[in-house]
Amino acid sequence: GENVEQHPSTLSVQEGDSAVIKCTYSDSASNYFPWYKQELGKRPQLIIDIRSNVGEKKDQRIAVTLNKTAKHFSLHITETQPEDSAVYFCAASNMFNSGYALNFGKGTSLLVTP
Amino acid sequence: DSGVTQTPKHLITATGQRVTLRCSPRSGDLSVYWYQQSLDQGLQFLIHYYNGEERAKGNILERFSAQQFPDLHSELNLSSLELGDSALYFCASSVGVSSYNSPLHFGNGTRLTVT
Repeated sequence: GENVEQHPSTLSVQEGDSAVIKCTYSDSASNYFPWYKQELGKRPQLIIDIRSNVGEKKDQRIAVTLNKTAKHFSLHITETQPEDSAVYFCAASNMFNSGYALNFGKGTSLLVTP
Repeated sequence: DSGVTQTPKHLITATGQRVTLRCSPRSGDLSVYWYQQSLDQGLQFLIHYYNGEERAKGNILERFSAQQFPDLHSELNLSSLELGDSALYFCASSVGVSSYNSPLHFGNGTRLTVT
C-alpha cells in the first residue's frame, strides 16, 4: 500500500522565519496531496491541497510544491506566526490504494517562538 | 465547526468490553471515513463508506466493525477492547466517493480510554 514519510518530526522556528516540511510517498499512482493542521486537542483541518496536474500552489503565506518524478511534496510557510504552532500532517491518495482514502504521514510538530 | 458530529466526546471503558462510536456527516456528504489517531502511529485509516456501502478498508482489526445507515450516519463498533485500543477516533466526511474531488472534513473525535 501507499507509504507516506514526513520530515522532520519536530520543527522549531522563530517568528517571522520560514518553515518547510517535506513528505515522500511510495505509490506513483497517487495524485492528490492535502495538508492538514491539527492544533492541540482539536480536529485536523485542511489548509491546502495539490493535485498531480500542477507543480505548485500558493495561498497567502502557505505554499505546496510537488515533484512527481521524485515522489515528494513539501509545505512552505513564510513569515511564521505563533498561531502557526500546531502539528501538520501530509497525506497522499489514489483510486487504486484504499479507494482514495487519505494515507497520512506521522506529522510534524511545529513550534513558532515569539 | 466542520459540521461533522461525533458522539460521545469521551469514553472510558474496561478491557474486554464493547463500545459504539457514532458519526453524523455534514449535510449533503455521502462519504464517511474512520481514522484512529494514537501518539506513535499518527492518523491510521480504518474504513470508508459511501452512500451506505463499504468502499475501502485500511488497517481495521477484525474486532472492529462499522456501518453506514440509510440516513448516512455511521457507527464504529469496537469489541473485546484492549489497552492498545486507547486512542482518538476521528470520523471525516466528504461529498463524493473520492477525496480527489471532495476534500475530507473531520469531526472533533471521540477519545477512547481502555482501562
